[in-house]
Amino acid sequence: GAVVSQHPSRVICKSGTSVKIECRSLDFQATTMFWYRQFPKQSLMLMATSNEGSKATYEQGVEKDKFLINHASLTLSTLTVTSAHPEDSSFYICSAYGPGLAAYNEQFFGPGTRLTVL
Amino acid sequence: SQQGEEDPQALSIQEGENATMNCSYKTSINNLQWYRQNSGRGLVHLILIRSNEREKHSGRLRVTLDTSKKSSSLLITASRAADTASYFCATDPTGAGSYQLTFGKGTKLSVIP
Repeated sequence: GAVVSQHPSRVICKSGTSVKIECRSLDFQATTMFWYRQFPKQSLMLMATSNEGSKATYEQGVEKDKFLINHASLTLSTLTVTSAHPEDSSFYICSAYGPGLAAYNEQFFGPGTRLTVL
Repeated sequence: SQQGEEDPQALSIQEGENATMNCSYKTSINNLQWYRQNSGRGLVHLILIRSNEREKHSGRLRVTLDTSKKSSSLLITASRAADTASYFCATDPTGAGSYQLTFGKGTKLSVIP
């Protein structure tokens, strides 16, 4: 149980286009989802926390107009990278938390999306 | 923000040897978790240790926690080539209230067959 999927797994786009990444909890209801960004050989950087039905909370330095997050249902959150540029190329990972899944704050991670902006 | 620091940053060992990775953190925590990441993939939860626990075992994994020193260690015994991955510690800060985890920078483990 507690499976999180991401789609697409890999995307290549031209500079200036927008890209949407989906994160789905397949077998549980995720009240909270997290979006991370990971540069090569580095750790995960939390971008934002989204709670179902409310606006996402962005970390300092993350542009909310650039990275649009929507958590419209208990099983789906989307991250849209608007007007993507080469510096947005990165590995984006989502994770989900659902009440009652684990006794403590264990997050379940998606497999990640590799974004390459040309 | 990243408060955890793992060391070493990279570790290369022979198959069958034990691998020890350390993690230090800065604030008080509810629990500390270790995750594994294979190259280009998502993270897999390995083990969680609560702030009132000192040691925990899961298969070939042994985790220790010293809250007075704000440090933890992950020991993988009898390593296998399949253990090759990056390992991250993540802390659940006390009072955060938002289910957030703060990840360390990771240790890249290479197990040579």
